[in-house]
Amino acid sequence: GENVGLHLPTLSVQEGDNSIINCAYSNSASDYFIWYKQESGKGPQFIIDIRSNMDKRQGQRVTVLLNKTVKHLSLQIAATQPGDSAVYFCAATISGAGSYQLTFGKGTKLSVIP
Amino acid sequence: DAGITQSPRHKVTETGTPVTLRCHQTENHRYMYWYRQDPGHGLRLIHYSYGVKDTDKGEVSDGYSVSRSKTEDFLLTLESATSSQTSVYFCAITMDRNYGYTFGSGTRLTVV
Repeated sequence: GENVGLHLPTLSVQEGDNSIINCAYSNSASDYFIWYKQESGKGPQFIIDIRSNMDKRQGQRVTVLLNKTVKHLSLQIAATQPGDSAVYFCAATISGAGSYQLTFGKGTKLSVIP
Repeated sequence: DAGITQSPRHKVTETGTPVTLRCHQTENHRYMYWYRQDPGHGLRLIHYSYGVKDTDKGEVSDGYSVSRSKTEDFLLTLESATSSQTSVYFCAITMDRNYGYTFGSGTRLTVV
């Protein structure tokens, strides 16, 4: 199976600074990874994904880095804004496995200090 | 997300009563999932479906059953609700295994 965990349950950053949220996974066969954002009272929202044939992928103000050697991925948020305050989850899966299921980490709560 | 709705959004029920939560999608996606979210545990898979009438158990399936008689609807039933089933329940959908999930807005269930 897969075990996904986050390094820090909480993270506080100053508005305008960059944020880095880290995640580790256990199964070297995992080949598809996703970051989700969950605001209070809402369902998780897809942010960005990356497949194992890539090391880096960029979106709007977000970058995901994947290090398969140490089974680690990170989410970088540039110029963090108050609207970025939320809980961030990473998820991993083996996309070719018999049943398609994502395994989620427990989440890091990001607080942005104005 | 407009393509997936959960009902009800909030429910309070008594111990021992049956409860059914509904997930409805308009995306014609094949895969549907039920998760529960609790502090300290994150998202845990209850049951999932990979097609009409095709369902399977997740890691916390005890006390829950599901049904999917149409592509668009995935029902989660608590046969006899217990206080340990007080939680926030999320439904998720995906087109196929090359995509992430889209989540509903959740149902907050309180069993008293």
